[in-house]
Amino acid sequence: EVQLVESGGGLVQPGGSLRLSCAASGFTFSRYWMTWVRQAPGKGLEWVANLHEDGNEKYYADSVQGRFTISRDNAKNSLYLQMNSLRVEDTAVYYCAQIGYSSGWYIDYWGQGTLVTVSS
Amino acid sequence: DIQMTQSPSSLSASVGDRVTITCRASQSISSNLNWYQQKPGKAPKLLIYVASNLQSGVPSRFSGSGSGTDFSLTISRLQPDDFATYYCQQSKSAPWAFGQGTKVEIK
Repeated sequence: EVQLVESGGGLVQPGGSLRLSCAASGFTFSRYWMTWVRQAPGKGLEWVANLHEDGNEKYYADSVQGRFTISRDNAKNSLYLQMNSLRVEDTAVYYCAQIGYSSGWYIDYWGQGTLVTVSS
Repeated sequence: DIQMTQSPSSLSASVGDRVTITCRASQSISSNLNWYQQKPGKAPKLLIYVASNLQSGVPSRFSGSGSGTDFSLTISRLQPDDFATYYCQQSKSAPWAFGQGTKVEIK
């Protein structure tokens, strides 16, 4: 059974930093692209970043480019999101998810999410 | 960047109704369109991938169609478990984008 468990969320002041982690199990982690998606309270889904299986190809949303860094440790079956220069508008539940491919890309399995609150 | 526009933003329907949600891309995305269902306090769940492929375990009353810029998600006979918010998402090119969501409520 695929499991994705996020951790590291919490309350942080504007301008601060936070590192989210996602522990993966139930599949061969090193063979999958991974993604972070966020959802501000009461709002819709917003794609944040994608990461290739080997960690060398990355894509970011314009809203986080230059502030957030997606990375992974395949030996530890873990995905990370380093968030710097946090803004109030970064407040959201952050989901880690596995990307699947079958004639096209899609977001297959999702974690339960971790809440990040940016406030003074 | 590709923008995704869903309509309607919300709808009220009764159990047994046929419901259709539409999604329009700002440029052609071929068949690179996925649909997700989200219930309050829960993570999204993949329903349809690559425009028309039913994800394993998803009831056959859900179907997807379209290509290019215009897509639709249809629920043939609405069930109580289907009251939720539905999102389309393009995976043609980065940055990926979601539609704003369609909330399906009980009439």
